[in-house]
Amino acid sequence: DTGVSQNPRHKITKRGQNVTFRCDPISEHNRLYWYRQTLGQGPEFLTYFQNEAQLEKSRLLSDRFSAERPKGSFSTLEIQRTEQGDSAMYLCASSLGQGARGYTFGSGTRLTVV
Amino acid sequence: SQQGEEDPQALSIQEGENATMNCSYKTSINNLQWYRQNSGRGLVHLILIRSNEREKHSGRLRVTLDTSKKSSSLLITASRAADTASYFCATDAGGGSNYKLTFGKGTLLTVNP
Repeated sequence: DTGVSQNPRHKITKRGQNVTFRCDPISEHNRLYWYRQTLGQGPEFLTYFQNEAQLEKSRLLSDRFSAERPKGSFSTLEIQRTEQGDSAMYLCASSLGQGARGYTFGSGTRLTVV
Repeated sequence: SQQGEEDPQALSIQEGENATMNCSYKTSINNLQWYRQNSGRGLVHLILIRSNEREKHSGRLRVTLDTSKKSSSLLITASRAADTASYFCATDAGGGSNYKLTFGKGTLLTVNP
């Protein structure tokens, strides 16, 4: 297991289209997190899963966003009817338990909405 | 919302010099973590310091934590060009926040060869 994997690395889409990102966490990590990062800012929390249960969603996650983690393995983040303001880097991270050893982040998916 | 604020926003030094970055936060914490991010990449965990610890070392990194002032500092000694990156502090407020991390805006460190 080489770490957290995110696909695709880059996505360019037209406004109004739907996009889906995938995250494969470290296999033994039970917690999975999605963050969004815009240029010059730190990552902002979007949502997190403990196993397959989505336990918290940020106010940043509008109704157009949905995340799933079927069977507590990989996770997907879908954005419907994309807007230019959705352009950002979407980061996935995983941790074992409460993250006492820190999180392991993927390389992110950079979304550009044109 | 951002919990931490790093200071300075940008720092430029020569190779071999020490780099110090500061972080202030607002609420009580379970632990504080520092991460590094190279341009356009994901974050790499550097070091974690618990709320009952005051100082921690890892290789060329030294982190201090002052919970009374709600502040932390990251010292990188004998810097190298490869240390050029953005550095973020992140706070874990514990069970009340579901153990999620809240990040600051980061310090952009440039180490000139």
